[in-house]
Amino acid sequence: GAGVSQSPSNKVTEKGKDVELRCDPISGHTALYWYRQSLGQGLEFLIYFQGNSAPDKSGLPSDRFSAERTGGSVSTLTIQRTQQEDSAVYLCASSLAVNTGELFFGEGSRLTVL
Amino acid sequence: AQSVTQLDSQVPVFEEAPVELRCNYSSSVSVYLFWYVQYPNQGLQLLLKYLSGSTLVESINGFEAEFNKSQTSFHLRKPSVHISDTAEYFCAVSARTSGSRLTFGEGTQLTVNP
Repeated sequence: GAGVSQSPSNKVTEKGKDVELRCDPISGHTALYWYRQSLGQGLEFLIYFQGNSAPDKSGLPSDRFSAERTGGSVSTLTIQRTQQEDSAVYLCASSLAVNTGELFFGEGSRLTVL
Repeated sequence: AQSVTQLDSQVPVFEEAPVELRCNYSSSVSVYLFWYVQYPNQGLQLLLKYLSGSTLVESINGFEAEFNKSQTSFHLRKPSVHISDTAEYFCAVSARTSGSRLTFGEGTQLTVNP
């Protein structure tokens, strides 16, 4: 596609439920990133993929969070047993070249945990 | 590890006035520096970047930023702002020695009033 696509754009769930957020990066971009943007805060790094491997998953806040990437393309971020503090906008980004920092962001998935 | 401090969370200005959005960073290694912009209801997009060479970098819409190594700063400036510049601006840093993991500041909301 022309840009990074994320779905769903909005998700409302009940505390304790599992959610899956999907990211479809720009075609040909080998690097894929997940960030979280909470109200009144900056962007918090979650995890980074180079191809299908995740050399840096240090930002995942707890073991309830996991992510995978298959075929060097689509990625899924899964949050198990959601908590209210998980409410945020989850941003996905992709990049063509490593180490230039030029990330292309999707519009995000807004998660609300009731 | 790197960190970024954006000194102002909100900057209100009048149209055609000059503006400076301040950014300071901390890092034990050499870095790349970036400004990203998030317009209302849109995803983040790269505004400008410093990778190497001239310490003064410019965007296509009149913003500029200067890398000051001694002061560990990368302030963003525009001599005359427009209503359309109203957005949230994020300063970001990545280490030259690692992959493209960006560390973001908490953002500065620039509001341009008529």
